[in-house]
Amino acid sequence: GQNIDQPTEMTATEGAIVQINCTYQTSGFNGLFWYQQHAGEAPTFLSYNVLDGLEEKGRFSSFLSRSKGYSYLLLKELQMKDSASYLCAVRDEGGSYIPTFGRGTSLIVHP
Amino acid sequence: EAGVAQSPRYKIIEKRQSVAFWCNPISGHATLYWYQQILGQGPKLLIQFQNNGVVDDSQLPKDRFSAERLKGVDSTLKIQPAKLEDSAVYLCASSLVEGAGSPLHFGNGTRLTVT
Repeated sequence: GQNIDQPTEMTATEGAIVQINCTYQTSGFNGLFWYQQHAGEAPTFLSYNVLDGLEEKGRFSSFLSRSKGYSYLLLKELQMKDSASYLCAVRDEGGSYIPTFGRGTSLIVHP
Repeated sequence: EAGVAQSPRYKIIEKRQSVAFWCNPISGHATLYWYQQILGQGPKLLIQFQNNGVVDDSQLPKDRFSAERLKGVDSTLKIQPAKLEDSAVYLCASSLVEGAGSPLHFGNGTRLTVT
């Protein structure tokens, strides 16, 4: 089984930096995804980490520490449109590679 | 490329009625998933297909839910009979391959309300 934990809600100011944490406990590990989901819309893929370290993609970066079962998503230069739910999903070592999602972190960006 | 298509977008039914959802994945994507997302929660996997074969349906409530993927392309998810707790968004997703790094591409979902 898998246990994935994220904060329920975060708030931040436009132009600031925010870090959204995700901790996981899995029977195995085969990669971690971050998705963004605006209200009423489909989740969209942001990043994938399978090795330790930081992956940078524009204003968004994602970090992984496999030994600590920990990841974070870093959002820089926040914009109002970044207000959304951010979902952490972990793939286990099972043959089906099915990602299990956390509850998501609702980020509210205010002016 | 065209995204994952789902229909209907919204559905309201009474408990004990039946309902069906349809999904057309991205062309060429062999793997298809159905997820249930209850308000305020993350998506929960119901079933995964690889082409037209079931890979994992361990979390599908088989007494009322069924799914099929004929010819390895389109898929339908059915609920019969529906219960109040089935109210949720049903998301279909597809991925190019089953590999660990292949991201899921989601459709906009079907929002089901059971009254």
